[in-house]
Order: sequence, then C-alpha cells, then structure tokens
Amino acid sequence: EPEVTQTPSHQVTQMGQEVILRCVPISNHLYFYWYRQILGQKVEFLVSFYNNEISEKSEIFDDQFSVERPDGSNFTLKIRSTKLEDSAMYFCASVTGGLREQYFGPGTRLTVT
Amino acid sequence: GQNIDQPTEMTATEGAIVQINCTYQTSGFNGLFWYQQHAGEAPTFLSYNVLDGLEEKGRFSSFLSRSKGYSYLLLKELQMKDSASYLCAVEETGGFKTIFGAGTRLFVKA
Repeated sequence: EPEVTQTPSHQVTQMGQEVILRCVPISNHLYFYWYRQILGQKVEFLVSFYNNEISEKSEIFDDQFSVERPDGSNFTLKIRSTKLEDSAMYFCASVTGGLREQYFGPGTRLTVT
Repeated sequence: GQNIDQPTEMTATEGAIVQINCTYQTSGFNGLFWYQQHAGEAPTFLSYNVLDGLEEKGRFSSFLSRSKGYSYLLLKELQMKDSASYLCAVEETGGFKTIFGAGTRLFVKA
C-alpha cells in the first residue's frame, strides 16, 4: 500500500538554526499539507500546497516558514531561524484529487534546544 | 471565530458501543473529518462527512448535522485496540484548510 514518508524521524537543532523537513507524498496525489502537533496538544494546520503554490496558510505560518516542491516527488518545509516553541511533531499529508482522505506521514519530531 | 469542542476523555468497556460527540463553529464549512490517533503516531483517516446523515463503515459510523454544527462518531463492538485519541476536524470552505479539535482520548477497559 502506498504511503507518505518523512525524513528525518527526529531532528535536534539549536535555536536560531535553519531546518528542512522532508516529505515524499504518495505519487499520484495532488494536494499537500503540513501540520504540527506540540506534545500533548492538538494538531494544527500550517499550510496547504497545490499546483506548485500555497493554497492556504495559518497564522502560525509566518515569514520564518516556507514550503517547496523542488522536484516531482519531494515536498519540504523550511524553518529559517528556529525558536524553542517550534519544538513539535511535524506531519506531512497528501490527498488525491477526487477523494478527501488525507494520508499522513509518520512525522518528524523537531526538538529545538 | 473557530471553535471545535469534543469531550477530553471517555471510558468504555470492551464489546460495548461508544458515541463521541463534536460540536463546531467555524467561519466556513466544507466537510467534517474523524481521525484516529494512537499515542506517538500520526492520525489515520476514519471518515469524511459532507451531507447530513449517518455514514457507516464497518464498526465505525459518523453522523453530521450541518444546521446544528454537530457530529458524532459511533464505535461498535469495542476492542482494546480502539483505545486512542479520536480527532474531529473541520475542512473549511475551499477545501484547503483543516481545523482540528483537541481530540477525545478513549480508554477501552476489559
């Protein structure tokens, strides 16, 4: 069964450093999302991406964040200058064109020290 | 504003039926998702309701009333493996933004 993959599974970085989180969505999916979940809290929408551009973003997704689809398979989330409060699990999800089921990747746990 | 409410925790017995309620007030509405999330894992899709009414899928059913801003997830023949958090999430108009509730932690006891 096809699945969304994410790398790395765990990233530790120092405050102020840049991080890039990588996702490989399911190959025929057209819509891509990033979410984050701070430990013990709810899943929060960050951004959606379709047709090589951002479709929607939340208040959390400020100038420190960017997304890119550098090639036909990868989908990345970059945080330019990490803060302690960016520590969370980051999930990538993808959807086909017709169905609404979002397939989530296993997540990247980001720890900012 | 956006507000999605669901109970924080519920406990039920193996083999029983449990209903998890969700009420929502959002600025726009396309449809409503239910996801299951085991501790330390990613959410997995259970259902998506657009129209009013009940949709059944095996042991799980989901109900939506758009006029009342209300949904519920019904789990039948509970199994120990159903112990997890159940997330209610609203897809806003346009279909590109999904807002999650805080989730309901379900404990299934023997």
